Amino acid sequence: GDSVTQMEGPVTLSEEAFLTINCTYTATGYPSLFWYVQYPGEGLQLLLKATKADDKGSNKGFEATYRKETTSFHLEKGSVQVSDSAVYFCALSDSRTTSGYALNFGKGTSLLVTP
Amino acid sequence: DAGITQSPRHKVTETGTPVTLRCHQTENHRYMYWYRQDPGHGLRLIHYSYGVKDTDKGEVSDGYSVSRSKTEDFLLTLESATSSQTSVYFCAISDLDRGPDTQYFGPGTRLTVL
Repeated sequence: GDSVTQMEGPVTLSEEAFLTINCTYTATGYPSLFWYVQYPGEGLQLLLKATKADDKGSNKGFEATYRKETTSFHLEKGSVQVSDSAVYFCALSDSRTTSGYALNFGKGTSLLVTP
Repeated sequence: DAGITQSPRHKVTETGTPVTLRCHQTENHRYMYWYRQDPGHGLRLIHYSYGVKDTDKGEVSDGYSVSRSKTEDFLLTLESATSSQTSVYFCAISDLDRGPDTQYFGPGTRLTVL
């Protein structure tokens, strides 16, 4: 079945460092891909999405490109801030193979940015 | 803000007792979902609804039931809570306007079963 694999955390970076969080997926169809962010004690917030190959999602300085040839959707940010400390989840949705439009999540990657 | 609230936000209960969690939305979204979040597992789908009285099972539905008698409320019931159901439960919504696969999440309910 469909699945998402994220790099293990925690990831610790200094402020202004470059961030990459790897995400690869397995899907039989053509899924939509998402990044969600969860700040401590809160629910998940949609960070960005891409619905087809070569689409680039972007928001708040974060970017991810839907790469069908490598089945990847890596999250990047050029200069992280302490306020970016959170858990990041990669997810996919393929209504042809999953329940309704439910999301299939990776296990999450914890990011800690230090001053 | 998709206008989603969850209640209660925290609950401690004992093994064997029934528990009902409520998800309430104010914007007439068609699709509603219940997920649980556990360390090392990400989020996993319990049940979902695609309309009033229309529900279906997700990946981890055993021990859970749901009901949706009106658009705005989606209830998750643990008929007889077990310690393995200690988790954080999230409700989510989506609709056709913003893309049915684009989900927005509530703040979560932390449930502890002793």
